[in-house]
Amino acid sequence: QSVLTQPPSMSAAPGQKVTISCSGSSSNIENNFVSWYQQLPGTAPKLLIYEDNKRPSGIPDRFSGSKSGTSATLGITGLQTGDEADYYCGSWDSSLSTYVFGTGTKVTVL
Amino acid sequence: QLQLQESGPGLVKPSETLSLTCTVSGGPISSDTYSWGWIRQPPGKGLEWIGSIHYGGRTYYNPSLRSRVTISVDTSKNQFSLKVSSVTAADTSVYYCARHARYGAATKFDYWGQGTLVTVSS
Repeated sequence: QSVLTQPPSMSAAPGQKVTISCSGSSSNIENNFVSWYQQLPGTAPKLLIYEDNKRPSGIPDRFSGSKSGTSATLGITGLQTGDEADYYCGSWDSSLSTYVFGTGTKVTVL
Repeated sequence: QLQLQESGPGLVKPSETLSLTCTVSGGPISSDTYSWGWIRQPPGKGLEWIGSIHYGGRTYYNPSLRSRVTISVDTSKNQFSLKVSSVTAADTSVYYCARHARYGAATKFDYWGQGTLVTVSS
């Protein structure tokens, strides 16, 4: 059972925006940086956001990350059919001394 | 471009030891900046970090798996390996290897292998 909670699913029409929440605690999100990963069907996860809001080279600026207190958010604007995937947040947990992933959110483009 | 590739048996019997190797190409495993990690994903479920190793040999494991997991590194082959002992059906997962950057309060897995499915069954 993960200590980072995400909504199981979200959906929106092409071109619209979705925001995915990741709820944690002071031992993880509040005091450690958050990363986000995109997992397209049948493939390995891919780093989307690191250090709360930074994008690796090649990730479009349609993807953004933010954090406030014990929660983090991933935003996807201009939704495309190719964005249909599972999205996971992740952070180090200082109390558990382990890296924790969120429960995952399945994004569907209607 | 850095690439990681997992290899090992796809089927392991209950109570036996699961062994996987990750071969890194396109860059040296002997980097002070990075560690090398294993993550697994049961079919249809979420991700779980298993543990990581620095090329110098320092390891850190998920406490929930620590008693059964060993991660080692072979810098001469640019490989690192995972062993999970006393496996049960609950260890059936896709196992991924990944490059693990941890600096200050930041952690990220920025390069991943394609993953390999390991099924525990008699």
